[in-house]
Amino acid sequence: GAVVSQHPSRVICKSGTSVKIECRSLDFQATTMFWYRQFPKQSLMLMATSNEGSKATYEQGVEKDKFLINHASLTLSTLTVTSAHPEDSSFYICSASALGREVNYGYTFGSGTRLTVV
Amino acid sequence: GENVEQHPSTLSVQEGDSAVIKCTYSDSASNYFPWYKQELGKRPQLIIDIRSNVGEKKDQRIAVTLNKTAKHFSLHITETQPEDSAVYFCAARILNTPLVFGKGTRLSVIA
Repeated sequence: GAVVSQHPSRVICKSGTSVKIECRSLDFQATTMFWYRQFPKQSLMLMATSNEGSKATYEQGVEKDKFLINHASLTLSTLTVTSAHPEDSSFYICSASALGREVNYGYTFGSGTRLTVV
Repeated sequence: GENVEQHPSTLSVQEGDSAVIKCTYSDSASNYFPWYKQELGKRPQLIIDIRSNVGEKKDQRIAVTLNKTAKHFSLHITETQPEDSAVYFCAARILNTPLVFGKGTRLSVIA
């Protein structure tokens, strides 16, 4: 159990365009999803926490108008990188959590999305 | 908030030797401490975890120890093999809050 699916796995986009990344919990209802960003040879940095049906909570330094997060259902959260720039190129990865479930479920990661902005 | 420090940043060991990676955390309320292994270009994979009511946990060649008083926890890999080469991350969290990760340790096992 506790499968988290993330799409796309890789995307290349032009500067100024927007990219949407989807994160789905396949076999449980995720009340909370976390979005992380990982630059090459660095650790995972939390970008935001999204709770189903409410606005996401962004970490300091993360622009909420640039990284739009939607968590409209208990199984789907999306991250949209708007007006992408080359410096947004990174590995984006989600994980999901469910209140009342085995704590480990919160830390099954999606497969990640490698974004390259050219 | 929580701050996790991880050492060393790189570690090279001979095949068959043991490897130890250490982490410290700042928030005494943290109660869950997982370790992840990440291979190049892939998602982190949970390899072992420990909760604050346990001092040690072992799974075959991998073990984790936790010292709540000192606020540090360690990963021990015995009889290392080349396939153990990867980046290892420790993390800590308080229940129902996001994980805070250490900066990672690049382990190289030399055959």
